Amino acid sequence: AQSVTQLGSHVSVSEGALVLLRCNYSSSVPPYLFWYVQYPNQGLQLLLKYTTGATLVKGINGFEAEFKKSETSFHLTKPSAHMSDAAEYFCAVTLYNFNKFYFGSGTKLNVKP
Amino acid sequence: DTEVTQTPKHLVMGMTNKKSLKCEQHMGHRAMYWYKQKAKKPPELMFVYSYEKLSINESVPSRFSPECPNSSLLNLHLHALQPEDSALYLCASSQDAQREYSGELFFGEGSRLTVL
Repeated sequence: AQSVTQLGSHVSVSEGALVLLRCNYSSSVPPYLFWYVQYPNQGLQLLLKYTTGATLVKGINGFEAEFKKSETSFHLTKPSAHMSDAAEYFCAVTLYNFNKFYFGSGTKLNVKP
Repeated sequence: DTEVTQTPKHLVMGMTNKKSLKCEQHMGHRAMYWYKQKAKKPPELMFVYSYEKLSINESVPSRFSPECPNSSLLNLHLHALQPEDSALYLCASSQDAQREYSGELFFGEGSRLTVL
């Protein structure tokens, strides 16, 4: 069975600082990986995804993530945080499961002025 | 059009009421999902419809009854709910339901349900 672990339920950074949100997965074969963002009282919006090909993927709003098979990780980064980045971020995985997506527990990002 | 539309946005109901949540997508997606999300928690899968047929039921209580009238619509019928069922109910869709990778999920904004 696959699972997703997000280290750090809360991350706080200053505006302009690097954002790093951690995601590790457990799977015997490479999964399909996603990062979603959720603003208060809204649905989830896809930030980026890894399916096949290039392991460094770029998403919306300046975010990117790198799939590292050796580390079973898919960490999300952004070089410079903006106040509007404050939200909940979920890492998700699906693997040959025909529609089953597994979500991590989420990381709440706080951006300080 | 890349939207998943959910109605109503807010719903308050008593434990004896019958109500329905509705979801609509016009992206030609063939998989549609219901998720339940409690505060400060990730979404939990409830049901998946694949080509208008129920393909996954995550042992959801029978007081929740899904329905997929056609490939664009998904309903969730609610009856005799409990206060602990209060949550954000999210509808999602994905492109192709019968392949190992069905595409990413597109979510609606959710229906906030409060059971009194």
